Formats: sequence, structure tokens, C-alpha cells
Amino acid sequence: QKEVEQNSGPLSVPEGAIASLNCTYSDRVSQSFFWYRQYSGKSPELIMSIYSNGDKEDGRFTAQLNKASQYVSLLIRDSQPSDSATYLCAVNIWRAAGNKLTFGGGTRVLVKP
Amino acid sequence: DGGITQSPKYLFRKEGQNVTLSCEQNLNHDAMYWYRQDPGQGLRLIYYSQIVNDFQKGDIAEGYSVSREKKESFPLTVTSAQKNPTAFYLCASRNEGGTEAFFGQGTRLTVV
Repeated sequence: QKEVEQNSGPLSVPEGAIASLNCTYSDRVSQSFFWYRQYSGKSPELIMSIYSNGDKEDGRFTAQLNKASQYVSLLIRDSQPSDSATYLCAVNIWRAAGNKLTFGGGTRVLVKP
Repeated sequence: DGGITQSPKYLFRKEGQNVTLSCEQNLNHDAMYWYRQDPGQGLRLIYYSQIVNDFQKGDIAEGYSVSREKKESFPLTVTSAQKNPTAFYLCASRNEGGTEAFFGQGTRLTVV
């Protein structure tokens, strides 16, 4: 079982609609969770971080965390063509030797005008 | 200007050669990470380091080696033992406490 799993997509969304991305993780002691956006050929950039159960909103983005069910999701409201990218879920697991930051395989999102 | 610098941006390696990828950060971050990304895939962890002179294997450490002699530097050597080294390599750093990681611009390595 992979530590962090995402649907690879592509997730095709009409412009102006809501894109919903999901991520599940296997280690129950995971502490902090991140969503990154990556354009083709570029390095990932942080969109959201979430540390406690519930929702966290930032502009058009909402992250949702449910530790009991071991999933974290990202909603993109009013999707724009510029949102077309790969979205990476990352999970931090504390280890005595250091914090291990593990990524999922990413979900490709295509926003169609 | 604070940030993470990876060099070179593009690197070509002949089969059987070792190559070293540079990663330097001036953010005063404690932790540093190396990831590998293949086309259409996510990031896979190669090595990570929480403090100077200490580092841990990630999920795909075979064929790679690292050192952490200075807080700001975490070079990655791709050895000849790595059978399929062509990939996009990303370095990241972060503070203690599990906060967000920041990435360099990446190095694209190609075996010729």
C-alpha cells in the first residue's frame, strides 16, 4: 500500500465549476498535510497547508482534513484555465530521525474554457 | 534574496559515470530533501536530512548518495549503480516542526 494515494486523473472541469481532489494516506501518525500545484516542467508551489481536522479556506481553495478516515481533499471553486496543472498531496510523518515528507502521485486537472 | 538554488538546470551523463547535483539554501532551514520525478508521476523521496552530518534514506535511495557537511548545502550524487537515472530531480528545504517545504527549480538529468 502506498503511503499517499491520489487519483491520477485527468480531472476535466468546465471553467467556473468546482474541482474536487482527494488524497488518502496510510500512516495514522501523520501530522501535517499540504497541497502543491505543479505546472509542466516546473517545481511544485504550495497552495494550502492543513494541520487539524475540518476545513481551511484560502481564496478559491478549500482544504478538508479528516484524520479518522485518513483523507485530505482540495476544492477549487470557480475553476480557471490557469488552474490546469498537476496537484500534489503531501503528508508529513514525524520520525525520530527527522520529518519525512511523502508525496502522492498527483492528480492532473484540466479546466476547459 | 532568500531561496533554494539547484544547479545545473540541465545535466547530461554518460552511462557508467557518477554525477553530483548541487542544492544550496539561504533560508536557514534545518531540513533538506531530495526527490525524483519521472514523467507523469509524483515525487519520490530519495534522501532527507534533519541536521548537519546526519541523513536518512527515503523510499528510493539505491544508487544515490548524499552528504550534509553544512546546513545550507545538501548535494546529491547519482552513481553508476543507478540503472535508470534519467529524471527530474528536485531539492526542498523546510523548518523544523513539519511546516511547508520550499523547492528549488530542479535539475533535469539525462543519460546519453
